[in-house]
Amino acid sequence: AQKITQTQPGMFVQEKEAVTLDCTYDTSDPSYGLFWYKQPSSGEMIFLIYQGSYDQQNATEGRYSLNFQKARKSANLVISASQLGDSAMYFCAMREFSSQGGSEKLVFGKGTKLTVNP
Amino acid sequence: EAGVVQSPRYKIIEKKQPVAFWCNPISGHNTLYWYRQNLGQGPELLIRYENEEAVDDSQLPKDRFSAERLKGVDSTLKIQPAELGDSAVYLCASSLEGQGRETQYFGPGTRLLVL
Repeated sequence: AQKITQTQPGMFVQEKEAVTLDCTYDTSDPSYGLFWYKQPSSGEMIFLIYQGSYDQQNATEGRYSLNFQKARKSANLVISASQLGDSAMYFCAMREFSSQGGSEKLVFGKGTKLTVNP
Repeated sequence: EAGVVQSPRYKIIEKKQPVAFWCNPISGHNTLYWYRQNLGQGPELLIRYENEEAVDDSQLPKDRFSAERLKGVDSTLKIQPAELGDSAVYLCASSLEGQGRETQYFGPGTRLLVL
């Protein structure tokens, strides 16, 4: 079963505007973590922001904020004041525990390709 | 602080040939991961190391893939023999356990093309 769903294969935004990238997740574990990564064409996965399931406030990191709605199991990424350099693939991921006990891995969605237009 | 280092960045081989990828994690990170990312998909875990011990290799195709992390620092992932379906980006990541978030930091990846 798919654990992370990103329903937007591609998104377009004008420079300096805000954009929201959607992410929904599925887990029965009360303790989990949600991550967003940016992957430019160079290939490296760049960590952007983290939200813990017990965090009381939505996470923010500079121009990035996470709209965490626990009851709806959504963790949308909001990028404010978009820049041309924001054009990239964006992946939502959830940390879960492995069946082998104790260890953990990230489960990724299929990503959203963001294009920022000048 | 240096990030995760991977080499080579690109590799083109013919099917049935062997290939190896190398990863050096962030200094002090005790946990190392190898992921495979197929075109148009998110990364999928192949193997996870805690220090020198492989604690999760359930997704590693053991008939042709092998990995090692001698001395608990750098790691090598090998494919022998390679198949056409192995064409993908192989990403290495590392994290420091016990920090609560245990954020994984990724290297630039190795793009493998099997002809």
